[in-house]
Amino acid sequence: AQKITQTQPGMFVQEKEAVTLDCTYDTSDQSYGLFWYKQPSSGEMIFLIYQGSYDEQNATEGRYSLNFQKARKSANLVISASQLGDSAMYFCAIGGTSYGKLTFGQGTILTVHP
Amino acid sequence: SQTIHQWPATLVQPVGSPLSLECTVEGTSNPNLYWYRQAAGRGLQLLFYSVGIGQISSEVPQNLSASRPQDRQFILSSKKLLLSDSGFYLCAWSDRAYGYTFGSGTRLTVV
Repeated sequence: AQKITQTQPGMFVQEKEAVTLDCTYDTSDQSYGLFWYKQPSSGEMIFLIYQGSYDEQNATEGRYSLNFQKARKSANLVISASQLGDSAMYFCAIGGTSYGKLTFGQGTILTVHP
Repeated sequence: SQTIHQWPATLVQPVGSPLSLECTVEGTSNPNLYWYRQAAGRGLQLLFYSVGIGQISSEVPQNLSASRPQDRQFILSSKKLLLSDSGFYLCAWSDRAYGYTFGSGTRLTVV
């Protein structure tokens, strides 16, 4: 079984500052992937970034980076230079080898203040 | 390119009425297909997944069922809706590599 824990129900950040959203995971799979999705109020799920368990380098996608610490089983999302449009719910998810199913955390609501 | 279509976008149904939500995928063949439900302010819960035509696996016992009559079509159904079936339903596909593409979702309100 896989589990994702997001301990921050809500986070606030000032525009143009960086913010870290926490994610810890548990899995018995040797090979797995970690994902972050953004869900704005419209409800769509927007893929942000992916980290494979065997990737040695932390993933980066534009202003998004994933701070992957395998020994600590954490996969925190770092958003640099926050923008007002970043205000949304953010989900961390883990996918193992079982038919590609993803297990999601409960999410973190990020609010960016001007 | 691959696209996923999900409809309707919103639905208000009375308790005890039937349900049919449809999801179709374009630009890929033999995808894994998934139905998720999201309660208000919560994470996504996997309801069903399918690895091929006619192959359905259920993750949680519930009032819902799923079918895959064609390779790129996935349908979520209920014979009699309950109040607890209200939520945001998302269809997704995966090509057996890591990663999903989600549909735009259906907001179901059972009244």
